[in-house]
Amino acid sequence: GNSVTQMEGPVTLSEEAFLTINCTYTATGYPSLFWYVQYPGEGLQLLLKATKADDKGSNKGFEATYRKETTSFHLEKGSVQVSDSAVYFCALSDGRTSYDKVIFGPGTSLSVIP
Amino acid sequence: SQTIHQWPATLVQPVGSPLSLECTVEGTSNPNLYWYRQAAGRGLQLLFYSVGIGQISSEVPQNLSASRPQDRQFILSSKKLLLSDSGFYLCAWSAGAATGELFFGEGSRLTVL
Repeated sequence: GNSVTQMEGPVTLSEEAFLTINCTYTATGYPSLFWYVQYPGEGLQLLLKATKADDKGSNKGFEATYRKETTSFHLEKGSVQVSDSAVYFCALSDGRTSYDKVIFGPGTSLSVIP
Repeated sequence: SQTIHQWPATLVQPVGSPLSLECTVEGTSNPNLYWYRQAAGRGLQLLFYSVGIGQISSEVPQNLSASRPQDRQFILSSKKLLLSDSGFYLCAWSAGAATGELFFGEGSRLTVL
């Protein structure tokens, strides 16, 4: 079945450091890929998405490129801020069901220190 | 614009007591609705989804049940809570076009003692 694997945290970075959170997936067909973010004490919100190979999703300085050849969707940001401290979830949806069957990775906790 | 609300935000219940968490969506019609559970330090587990009034599908066998009495209302219930039911419960909706885009509520933290 479909699955998502992402690097385990927690990840701790200093402000303005470069961020990479690795994500790989297993899926049949051509899934859509997502990054969701969960700030402390809140629900999840969509950060960015990509729907086909070589697409780049971007938002709030974060980027991720859909790499079909490596089945990866790594999240990057050039300069993190304290306000980026959150849990980041990689996810996929294969669009084959009548509802949104979104498969989430386990989440990666990021702490940015001043 | 669409909004989603769930309550209560925090709940502490003894083992064996009943549970009712409620979720409502505003600003959209015929949404798909979902209940997820997030256990401490773990990812999200889909518990139930609904594509219409009275239509409930369960993803995992468990001590919980769900109901959708109105188009934009989704309720998570239990007759007798177990310690293992503790966790952070998230309601979500999607537009139904299988885009993979989910919109989450603020979450309800349940502690069973």
